[in-house]
Amino acid sequence: DAGVIQSPRHEVTEMGQEVTLRCKPISGHDYLFWYRQTMMRGLELLIYFNNNVPIDDSGMPEDRFSAKMPNASFSTLKIQPSEPRDSAVYFCASSRGLLIYFGEGSWLTVV
Amino acid sequence: GENVEQHPSTLSVQEGDSAVIKCTYSDSASNYFPWYKQELGKRPQLIIDIRSNVGEKKDQRIAVTLNKTAKHFSLHITETQPEDSAVYFCAASTMNRDDKIIFGKGTRLHILP
Repeated sequence: DAGVIQSPRHEVTEMGQEVTLRCKPISGHDYLFWYRQTMMRGLELLIYFNNNVPIDDSGMPEDRFSAKMPNASFSTLKIQPSEPRDSAVYFCASSRGLLIYFGEGSWLTVV
Repeated sequence: GENVEQHPSTLSVQEGDSAVIKCTYSDSASNYFPWYKQELGKRPQLIIDIRSNVGEKKDQRIAVTLNKTAKHFSLHITETQPEDSAVYFCAASTMNRDDKIIFGKGTRLHILP
């Protein structure tokens, strides 16, 4: 398996623009996680899904953030409108048991 | 909910010396404690984990210890090498279905030549 695949790997966007991050989990994994990593806050869990259903979105910072998982092989994290403080690395991860596999991350810079 | 505290945030050790990273957790129901290593610009990857039915686990130069009574667990790296330089994250979970894994804020380990 190719592992968890994320796109884009890097994105620079202007404040106010919409940003969509994409993730393809490992085939057969039933959990999908979105994390945000910054120097100040470390690894924050934003939201996670089980069998495409959102289980806990308490980590989503505000209404500007939304996530969907329309099927078992695809998920999106959307930020609209984006702000400079959203600049971070966004990791998607998936698991079938206890072991979480992370994607390479999407490095977002909002200017 | 669970809260995981990790110390120190930064650690520098001479090559060949040992490094210890400590974590505490708040939820006494937590019983699974993984450690992830994140090299610069890379993704976090699991390096070792421990479950609450054991107090210590070792894998070559790395070991984890767990004290359930005190609710703390530690990562020990012996004979450190340059490739050990990375950010290390501890985490805690109950292993219950739908329960999330909570990560500490990470420790940046520098191995000095």
